[in-house]
Amino acid sequence: QSVMTQPPSVSGDPGQKVTISCTGSSSNIGAGYGVHWYQQLPGRAPKLVMFGNSRRPSGVPDRFSGSNSGTSASLAITGLQAEDEADYYCQSYDNGLREVVFGGGTKLTVL
Amino acid sequence: VQLLQSGGDWVQPGASLRLSCATSGFTFTSHAISWVRQAPGKGLEWVSGISGGGGTKYYGDSVRGRFAVSRDDSNSTVYLQMNSLRVEDTAVYYCARVPHVIIVPASTNFDHWGHGTLVTVSS
Repeated sequence: QSVMTQPPSVSGDPGQKVTISCTGSSSNIGAGYGVHWYQQLPGRAPKLVMFGNSRRPSGVPDRFSGSNSGTSASLAITGLQAEDEADYYCQSYDNGLREVVFGGGTKLTVL
Repeated sequence: VQLLQSGGDWVQPGASLRLSCATSGFTFTSHAISWVRQAPGKGLEWVSGISGGGGTKYYGDSVRGRFAVSRDDSNSTVYLQMNSLRVEDTAVYYCARVPHVIIVPASTNFDHWGHGTLVTVSS
């Protein structure tokens, strides 16, 4: 059971906007630790798409944006495209567990 | 930046296995390296990490005391020695680069990943 909770699935039509939430606690997101997001295409290794809550790595389209507030964070994808269909994971650090922690993952389906 | 993994195999419970992660394309000693695993059909789980100088090692609760991480700066390779393997250790194991020389709780993320190697523990 992950200490950060994500919805198991989200979906949207091409061109629409979707938001994936990541709910933590005062020992991880709420403690001010950075939240990072990974995209994992089927059968592939994860890829970093957002770091430090809202910073995009080079090469990641500006359709992707990140934010956080209190004990939660979110990843928004606008102008949804078929190629965005993947699993998405949030990641942070938990000072109670003293470990790097991942959310349980969210499967994004582009309808 | 490349991380090439090897060493995955099928083994019986209680056996040992060593995974390798050979890196290139960056200054090896300037980056910590972590191991992250993914059980079949499940999410990501952080397993272990080692600082750029090798002086600090980190382990998740589920593997502490059984797994050991090390690095060889002469060939830019990180290893994960896995002992006393259990059925629940079955997973694809990824090595991943950390942007910093150490694991920094406030900001550690994984900016480049290996392709993964499958470890199956079964009788």
